[in-house]
Amino acid sequence: EVQLVESGGGLVQPGGSLRLSCAASGFTFSSYWMHWVRQAPGKGLVWVSRIHSNGSSTTYADSVKGRFTISRDNGKNTLYLQMNSLRAEDTAVYYCVRESQDSSSWLRAFDIWGQGTMVTVSS
Amino acid sequence: DIQMTQSPSSLSASVGDRLTITCRASQSISSYLNWYQQKPGKAPKLLIYAASSLQSGVPSRFSGSGSGTDFTLTISSLQPEDFATYYCQQSYTTPRTFGQGTNVDIK
Repeated sequence: EVQLVESGGGLVQPGGSLRLSCAASGFTFSSYWMHWVRQAPGKGLVWVSRIHSNGSSTTYADSVKGRFTISRDNGKNTLYLQMNSLRAEDTAVYYCVRESQDSSSWLRAFDIWGQGTMVTVSS
Repeated sequence: DIQMTQSPSSLSASVGDRLTITCRASQSISSYLNWYQQKPGKAPKLLIYAASSLQSGVPSRFSGSGSGTDFTLTISSLQPEDFATYYCQQSYTTPRTFGQGTNVDIK
């Protein structure tokens, strides 16, 4: 079964740090770009960060640039999100997402999502 | 960044209704447009990719159309399990921006 399982969420004080992990199984993890998407309580979906299949390239939303770091270990089939200098506005469910692509078509879509892990930033 | 604007933001409908949700991009995105369905407490699910291609396992009552800047998601006959929030997303460039969502509830 193709799946993504996040872990590492929890309650952290403003200014603190947290590292999220996402364990992939059922597919060739090293072949896919991976993303983090977050959703604040009662709000919409917001893209956070992306990493190339081999880890060579990363991109971040302006709201997290300089504070968050995305990485991956293809040998362990695991995606990470290191979150530093956390703020109250970072409170959200964080989803690990696989992006499927096909260079011969317009396919670039988030086809596999994890169940999400909740991050709460509060004193 | 490309802005995605959905309309309406919410709507009430009945089982059996034909439903259309629109999504407009702030610049041309060719056919790099996806639609997702999200139910409360659950992760989003991919419904339509590349503007009009149905994801495997998604019922045929769902369809998508459009290219450039204007897109639509249509549900031909609304079923009880379709009451949810729907999001469009552009995958033309990074950041992969989403629309604000359309909440579909029971009339």
